[in-house]
Amino acid sequence: GAVVSQHPSRVICKSGTSVKIECRSLDFQATTMFWYRQFPKKSLMLMATSNEGSKATYEQGVEKDKFLINHASLTLSTLTVTSAHPEDSSFYICSAGLAWGYEQYFGPGTRLTVT
Amino acid sequence: QQQVKQSPQSLIVQKGGISIINCAYENTAFDYFPWYQQFPGKGPALLIAIRPDVSEKKEGRFTISFNKSAKQFSLHIMDSQPGDSATYFCAASGGTSYGKLTFGQGTILTVHP
Repeated sequence: GAVVSQHPSRVICKSGTSVKIECRSLDFQATTMFWYRQFPKKSLMLMATSNEGSKATYEQGVEKDKFLINHASLTLSTLTVTSAHPEDSSFYICSAGLAWGYEQYFGPGTRLTVT
Repeated sequence: QQQVKQSPQSLIVQKGGISIINCAYENTAFDYFPWYQQFPGKGPALLIAIRPDVSEKKEGRFTISFNKSAKQFSLHIMDSQPGDSATYFCAASGGTSYGKLTFGQGTILTVHP
């Protein structure tokens, strides 16, 4: 149980375009989803916390107009990288939290490359 | 206050040996301490977690030791196998950061056959 999927697993886009990444909890309802960014050989950096039906809470230094997060249902959250630039290239990972505990289950990640 | 410091940065162990990774935290409000295993190009997978009401938790070859007074916790991997070679992250959550995980810097474990 507690499976989280992400789509796409890899995406290459041109500079200036927008990219949407989906995060789904497949076998449980996630009241809270989290979006992380990870650079090579580095730890996970929390970008934002997303609660179903409400606006996302962004961490300090994360541009909310650039990284649009929507949590439309208890099983789906999306991250849209708007007007992507090469410096946005990274590994983006989502996680979903169980309503009754601290456990977070991570998706497989999405490798974004902006050319 | 919110940091979790993890060591060592990298670790090389022979097959069958014991791998030990340590973490220290400052925030006494933390009350949930998970360990995650991550393989290259994959998302982290929850390995084992502990709450501060116990000093040790064991699941198979993986054991968490927790020292509340020292604000430290560690992961022990017994009988380490080449398939355990991965990056391991400790994390902590609780208090005002309820639900949000603060991660350690990660340890790259290599188990030689």
